[in-house]
Amino acid sequence: EIVLTQSPATLSLSPGERATLSCRASQSGNSYLAWYQQRPGQAPRLLISDVSNRATGIPARFSGSGSGTDFTLTISSLEPEDFAVYYCQQRSTWPPGYTFGQGTKLEIK
Amino acid sequence: QVKLVESGGGVVQPGRSLRLSCVASGFSFSSYGMHWVRQAPGKGLEWVATIWFDGSNKDYADSVKGRFSISRDNSKNTLYLEMDSLRGDDTAVYYCANDMEPGYFDYWGQGTLVTVSS
Repeated sequence: EIVLTQSPATLSLSPGERATLSCRASQSGNSYLAWYQQRPGQAPRLLISDVSNRATGIPARFSGSGSGTDFTLTISSLEPEDFAVYYCQQRSTWPPGYTFGQGTKLEIK
Repeated sequence: QVKLVESGGGVVQPGRSLRLSCVASGFSFSSYGMHWVRQAPGKGLEWVATIWFDGSNKDYADSVKGRFSISRDNSKNTLYLEMDSLRGDDTAVYYCANDMEPGYFDYWGQGTLVTVSS
């Protein structure tokens, strides 16, 4: 079973700053990696799929990178609406299933 | 636009059953897999179950296997989650999500809260 570990648990930054969120997988060789944003009281929203592909309507300030077991979500210049919780996610083909990281809370400093 | 609307949540006693529904619109429902994902109060996201576009294959998280059953009615654009033998740790907001890009949760509903308590 894949375990995804996100760091840091909480990231305190100011608007305009650059945010770097990390996601480490317990196994390599999996090309599925997504990032989701969840604002308070809202459902999650897909930001990035296949490590680096932005979903429809996602601003260019969001980018994803990585390979193997280490993946990164970067927000180049934080906007007020970006302060939220971010989750990474992978799909496992065997045993079949999906795993989320525990989340990183991005808060205003 | 894509819209997913869950319903059926509520307060239920431990050991009882509940059925959730998710009505889809704005996309070709019968062409895509569908998922249920839950989130316990103040906690992270947990995948619950997945069903293929035609209902031919279903997968479940170990935590719900044998107690929950996912199904769909493509003629009604509706996804279901039948939950039996409910326990306190099943208390969560339950979201449905579609699989327009295989392996991911592309669009999400607003969620429905299930509270298991005596």
